[in-house]
Amino acid sequence: AQSVTQLGSHVSVSEGALVLLRCNYSSSVPPYLFWYVQYPNQGLQLLLKYTTGATLVKGINGFEAEFKKSETSFHLTKPSAHMSDAAEYFCAVSDAGNQFYFGTGTSLTVIP
Amino acid sequence: DVKVTQSSRYLVKRTGEKVFLECVQDMDHENMFWYRQDPGLGLRLIYFSYDVKMKEKGDIPEGYSVSREKKERFSLILESASTNQTSMYLCASSGSDRGKTEQYFGPGTRLTVT
Repeated sequence: AQSVTQLGSHVSVSEGALVLLRCNYSSSVPPYLFWYVQYPNQGLQLLLKYTTGATLVKGINGFEAEFKKSETSFHLTKPSAHMSDAAEYFCAVSDAGNQFYFGTGTSLTVIP
Repeated sequence: DVKVTQSSRYLVKRTGEKVFLECVQDMDHENMFWYRQDPGLGLRLIYFSYDVKMKEKGDIPEGYSVSREKKERFSLILESASTNQTSMYLCASSGSDRGKTEQYFGPGTRLTVT
């Protein structure tokens, strides 16, 4: 069975500082991994995904994530936070049956 | 542009009412999903469908049913709404590539049951 753990339900960073949102997964098969962002009162929007190939994945809005199989992690980073990055972020893992398993989310606050 | 639409953004219903939430996608996707989102709990899968007239229970199907008569449309039904079903409901769809393809989400319906 698949599961996702996001460490830290709330993260605050200063504008211009590094953003690091943590995600660990549990999967019995090679995982497909995703990060989504949700702005207030909106649906989820895909930031990036890892399926196969290069373990460092670049996404939209300057975000990237690295798949580390030995650590079962897929942490999301951005070198310099912007005010517009304030949102809720969800990590997800999927299985071959097309079902997704989401973490409980991390709310990112950017302090001016 | 890819699109998933939901029939209402905000909905207020009374306890005991039958509630219909509709979702339409224009991407010819095989898979469609209904989630509810609550603070601190993330997204929890209610039902999903991988083909017309097919449905599978998710993690929290109790109190809900679904209908998929056409490929593009997936409806969530609350047979008798209760206050504990007050939540944000999100619909999603995806293609069938054995988990590799992302899910596309609608804007959500915020349902309040009084």
